[in-house]
Amino acid sequence: SQQGEEDPQALSIQEGENATMNCSYKTSINNLQWYRQNSGRGLVHLILIRSNEREKHSGRLRVTLDTSKKSSSLLITASRAADTASYFCATDAGDYKLSFGAGTTVTVRA
Amino acid sequence: DGGITQSPKYLFRKEGQNVTLSCEQNLNHDAMYWYRQDPGQGLRLIYYSQIVNDFQKGDIAEGYSVSREKKESFPLTVTSAQKNPTAFYLCASSTPGIRKNEQFFGPGTRLTVL
Repeated sequence: SQQGEEDPQALSIQEGENATMNCSYKTSINNLQWYRQNSGRGLVHLILIRSNEREKHSGRLRVTLDTSKKSSSLLITASRAADTASYFCATDAGDYKLSFGAGTTVTVRA
Repeated sequence: DGGITQSPKYLFRKEGQNVTLSCEQNLNHDAMYWYRQDPGQGLRLIYYSQIVNDFQKGDIAEGYSVSREKKESFPLTVTSAQKNPTAFYLCASSTPGIRKNEQFFGPGTRLTVL
């Protein structure tokens, strides 16, 4: 079952702007992960945040997690054309499986 | 190079035929997964395997079958019982533990029913 839901479904921004997308989920989790998918390709792991963490950074990526609201956000700063992709959140409830949301499609305009 | 490979990249099937999608990894990962992705949607889990000779159904296993005879290989068969098999199929592997089930994905196989 798809536990995560991303918002918005699609996002179009100018190069150099920041992109923010959100993920909401329903049940308790061990960790939450964000993945990127370029068109027609496999997914690439971006960042993982554990349930006892509130914020994490990796390069131009910033992830927050609010377990009380069952939500997470992914911020991409200073976006580039190469950031054009779909972004998925995935929740790990500790049972060897990940539950993926439907994704946010980000288009970065030059 | 360590990685996960899928073949073929594109596959065409006539109605009523079974087809098998290949997935191989040399990452020494214990767990392997098969997902289905439909246009504009997220990933849905078909089957997963935590160890050799063992596998479990995911959310949409009907019409699919798998085997896990070797650690490196986890082939998926799409049977004629799967009524709407046209989709993008993704294989992944992971080693739950320190890395907390970060999954590594193959490039995918696009299956089209003619």
